[in-house]
Amino acid sequence: NAGVTQTPKFRILKIGQSMTLQCTQDMNHNYMYWYRQDPGMGLKLIYYSVGAGITDKGEVPNGYNVSRSTTEDFPLRLELAAPSQTSVYFCASRSGRNFYNEQFFGPGTRLTVL
Amino acid sequence: ILNVEQSPQSLHVQEGDSTNFTCSFPSSNFYALHWYRWETAKSPEALFVMTLNGDEKKKGRISATLNTKEGYSYLYIKGSQPEDSATYLCAFTNQGGKLIFGQGTELSVKP
Repeated sequence: NAGVTQTPKFRILKIGQSMTLQCTQDMNHNYMYWYRQDPGMGLKLIYYSVGAGITDKGEVPNGYNVSRSTTEDFPLRLELAAPSQTSVYFCASRSGRNFYNEQFFGPGTRLTVL
Repeated sequence: ILNVEQSPQSLHVQEGDSTNFTCSFPSSNFYALHWYRWETAKSPEALFVMTLNGDEKKKGRISATLNTKEGYSYLYIKGSQPEDSATYLCAFTNQGGKLIFGQGTELSVKP
C-alpha cells in the first residue's frame, strides 16, 4: 500500500513551458486535492475532486487545470508556466463523505519556473 | 473569505519546555478542526481531528482543545523534545467540505 504518490519530485521549467504533475493513490479514496505551499502561507487549495469525472476549483485555480478520469489518478496541468507558479505542490486524498476524515498527503513536487 | 490564523508564526524553545500555540477560525458553519504535523522535507501527517465544542484530544505529549463557539483551538506540547521540531498546521472545515489551512506555526526545539 503506497498511499499517495507524486511524480516528479523536482522540476525546473522555463517560462511558457507546460507540464503535468502526476498524483496517484491506492486507497480507493473518492476525494483528492491539489495544494501549493508558499513560504509563510500554509497550504492553498488549487483544485479538488469528489470522485471520478468531477472536479472543482479551490482558492487559487488560475493557471492550472485538472482531470479525474479514474479514482486513482488526479493529474495537475500547468499550461503556460509563470515564475509565480514556483512552489511546492502537494496532492492529498481522503475517504468517504465525512469531512472529519483525515487527508493523506503525497511527498510533494518542488517546481521552479525560471 | 474564510480565514484561519495561527499564532505565533514561529517558536523557539529549549528541550523540556512545555509550549502551546493557537489556531483561530470562523465560528459559523463549523464542521471540523484538523491539526497536522509537518516535518521538513516530508508531507503533513494528521495529528487530531476535532468536531465537538469542548473536545480534547491527546497523543503522547501532545494534546489539543477546541472551542467552536469562540472559534479557537490550542495545541499543547508537554516537555518538548528536539524531534517535536516541525511546522504545526491547523485546518478548518465548514459544511462545504474543503479544508482551509492556516499558515502554520514553526516550532524549533533546541537540545
